[in-house]
Amino acid sequence: SQQGEEDPQALSIQEGENATMNCSYKTSINNLQWYRQNSGRGLVHLILIRSNEREKHSGRLRVTLDTSKKSSSLLITASRAADTASYFCATDAGSSGSARQLTFGSGTQLTVLP
Amino acid sequence: DAMVIQNPRYQVTQFGKPVTLSCSQTLNHNVMYWYQQKSSQAPKLLFHYYDKDFNNEADTPDNFQSRRPNTSFCFLDIRSPGLGDAAMYLCATSRDIWTFSNQPQHFGDGTRLSIL
Repeated sequence: SQQGEEDPQALSIQEGENATMNCSYKTSINNLQWYRQNSGRGLVHLILIRSNEREKHSGRLRVTLDTSKKSSSLLITASRAADTASYFCATDAGSSGSARQLTFGSGTQLTVLP
Repeated sequence: DAMVIQNPRYQVTQFGKPVTLSCSQTLNHNVMYWYQQKSSQAPKLLFHYYDKDFNNEADTPDNFQSRRPNTSFCFLDIRSPGLGDAAMYLCATSRDIWTFSNQPQHFGDGTRLSIL
């Protein structure tokens, strides 16, 4: 079953504004990761936050994690048209088989208007 | 640059005609994954290899098989494609997660499969 649910499903903002996407999950995790996917392309890893971390920054990205609420948020500041993409959260909840696996959320489609 | 390469980018096959998708990596990662992604949906894991150890997801149809002849290459075989198998197929790799914990996955650009 799908581990993560994201909202909103779609978000449209003006260039320069901030974009916030939220992710909720169901079970305990080792870490939570955010990926970006441009149309017709593969996923690109953005940021990983461990279960014992509460906040992490990378450039214009800020990720928070609240393990008590089983939720995470991704904030993109000063958005650009090039940020237009789908954004997925993915949870690493431990091993199944011989390797850890990620379970992806349903994704948020972000459109940044110039 | 080290990367994950998928060929071809677009593949068209006929209903029931076997098809093979390929993935190669220059990252020397132990683990390779195959995902299926349908339009506007999350990627769904089909199976993964840890070195030569193959792990199939419980709900992956028998129609889907995989081969990993060496560390660098992994293939996805669809024995008798149906219309419902039309999707983007993504290959990903990760490092030996038992030695290096908390590792991201590295994705190729995918192969978009169409079924006629």
